[in-house]
Amino acid sequence: RKEVEQDPGPFNVPEGATVAFNCTYSNSASQSFFWYRQDCRKEPKLLMSVYSSGNEDGRFTAQLNRASQYISLLIRDSKLSDSATYLCVVNIRGYSTLTFGKGTMLLVSP
Amino acid sequence: ETGVTQSPTHLIKTRGQQVTLRCSSQSGHNTVSWYQQALGQGPQFIFQYYREEENGRGNFPPRFSGLQFPNYSSELNVNALELDDSALYLCASSPGLETSTDTQYFGPGTRLTVL
Repeated sequence: RKEVEQDPGPFNVPEGATVAFNCTYSNSASQSFFWYRQDCRKEPKLLMSVYSSGNEDGRFTAQLNRASQYISLLIRDSKLSDSATYLCVVNIRGYSTLTFGKGTMLLVSP
Repeated sequence: ETGVTQSPTHLIKTRGQQVTLRCSSQSGHNTVSWYQQALGQGPQFIFQYYREEENGRGNFPPRFSGLQFPNYSSELNVNALELDDSALYLCASSPGLETSTDTQYFGPGTRLTVL
């Protein structure tokens, strides 16, 4: 079982749609959680950290359920510029490295 | 921009050759991590250096080795290249070892193709 699993994708949505990405992690010692965005042939960039209380940044909302070991990312009012691969990332307690999921590609069309 | 640079941007090698990839971290960042990202996969952790000492290693064979220098630059060396080594190699720098709070800043990567 992979440590971080994401929806396989790709997700094809029209502009203005709401889209949700799901992610599960297997290591209960995971302590920090992030969503990264990666444009085609570019490096990953931090989109947002994920907190137990849930957090929002404009059109983006991230949630964490520690009991279910589940993380989500909701994008409202999708823009063409949101087209990218979204990577679910965890940091396991005691390790100063990041563990990435495979990523879910989002394609927003006009 | 993240302030992290990598060179070269692209590289083509043949099986059995050796390669050195370079990374220049943000000034003041004592930690550098290297990741391998195969096509269609997420980045996989290779190893990490903190203040010029290896601080952790992923599931990669010993032919993957690294160095970190006092001037915030680092190297990833791969010996005896195999076809499966074809990937995007990313370095990421951060101030320290507190991954829960320290953001890792990724460089643009080096795309290695092994023929």
